[in-house]
Amino acid sequence: AQSVTQLGSHVSVSEGALVLLRCNYSSSVPPYLFWYVQYPNQGLQLLLKYTSAATLVKGINGFEAEFKKSETSFHLTKPSAHMSDAAEYFCAVRSNTGFQKLVFGTGTRLLVSP
Amino acid sequence: GAVVSQHPSRVICKSGTSVKIECRSLDFQATTMFWYRQFPKQSLMLMATSNEGSKATYEQGVEKDKFLINHASLTLSTLTVTSAHPEDSSFYICSARYGTGSPPEAFFGQGTRLTVV
Repeated sequence: AQSVTQLGSHVSVSEGALVLLRCNYSSSVPPYLFWYVQYPNQGLQLLLKYTSAATLVKGINGFEAEFKKSETSFHLTKPSAHMSDAAEYFCAVRSNTGFQKLVFGTGTRLLVSP
Repeated sequence: GAVVSQHPSRVICKSGTSVKIECRSLDFQATTMFWYRQFPKQSLMLMATSNEGSKATYEQGVEKDKFLINHASLTLSTLTVTSAHPEDSSFYICSARYGTGSPPEAFFGQGTRLTVV
């Protein structure tokens, strides 16, 4: 079964600092990977997705992620954090069986301080 | 991107009553809809998957008779929490998927905060 692991339930950065949110996946086949952001009491918004077209994926709001097969990783980065980036971030992998459901990681809360 | 509207955003109900949550795809036809439950500070747990016109497929451990899902059309799915109890209090999120791309795109509703008192 496919799964993702997010290291660190909380990540704190200062405004303007680099953001790095970690995600490792487990999959026996080339995976489809996603990063979503969730603001309080809201649904999920897609930041970016990996579909095997390119290993470096650029998303919205200045975020990007690099797929590294050798490390089974898909870490999310942003060069300079903004206060508005404070939210919960979820990494997800799409199942390749059945309804191709999304399997989510446990989430990482990003805290941004002035 | 496509819009998925979930209603209501918040609901408080008395223990023993039923609550219906609607999920609508506003500008696309959703071939598949997913219902998730999210406990405070936790990840999303898939409850069930529904395809228009067919019975929902529930995840292991989810009570079918308690969480009734109806996907009556390509733009509407409903989740009814029957005989609600305080332990059913949670954040419920729907997701609608369409397209034949690889992978097909999925869009999320804004969620419903259910509080059972």
